[in-house]
Amino acid sequence: GAVVSQHPSRVICKSGTSVKIECRSLDFQATTMFWYRQFPKKSLMLMATSNEGSKATYEQGVEKDKFLINHASLTLSTLTVTSAHPEDSSFYICSALPGAAGANVLTFGAGSRLTVL
Amino acid sequence: KQEVTQIPAALSVPEGENLVLNCSFTDSAIYNLQWFRQDPGKGLTSLLLIQSSQREQTSGRLNASLDKSSGRSTLYIAASQPGDSATYLCAVEGNNDMRFGAGTRLTVKP
Repeated sequence: GAVVSQHPSRVICKSGTSVKIECRSLDFQATTMFWYRQFPKKSLMLMATSNEGSKATYEQGVEKDKFLINHASLTLSTLTVTSAHPEDSSFYICSALPGAAGANVLTFGAGSRLTVL
Repeated sequence: KQEVTQIPAALSVPEGENLVLNCSFTDSAIYNLQWFRQDPGKGLTSLLLIQSSQREQTSGRLNASLDKSSGRSTLYIAASQPGDSATYLCAVEGNNDMRFGAGTRLTVKP
């Protein structure tokens, strides 16, 4: 079945540094990928929708300059948390939507836990 | 490694029926369990979040239960409507990851 690989699974960084998280669809092409964030004891929150070759669409309240999303190919989307601060510590997860017609079921990565010191 | 299973894979019911979707997981060491709906071509919409210390959550016509010891959760939808037609996913958050079930595709016929 469809597999999405997310890397790194866990990252610890110092405040002020930038962190890049990769989301790869391993055996299918994903025209659309979604990035989510989960705060402790809260529901998963959609951050942005990225379509291959175009700019990401951010949800209200999500800082575009803070969370840079690039979807340069049909199998890779990246989320870069720029100038990370402790409040950015969270669990980030991506999902991918296959490009095939009628394939409308999401496949999820296992998530990346970011801790900013 | 946590494994999450959802049964049934697909369900079709007439409007007005009450229904139950099932989710099971293999590792009971979880932080929380969430239920989502996904509409075709769209991202997730969060429905209910149950913390590991809780046994159920309710929102409108939806009720979700959690039995950690048996590794099960159910999503109960009362008085189903055509607008409830979607794919319903459960997800379990563990120490370092979040695992999703494959989903149940629900169709509610008018």
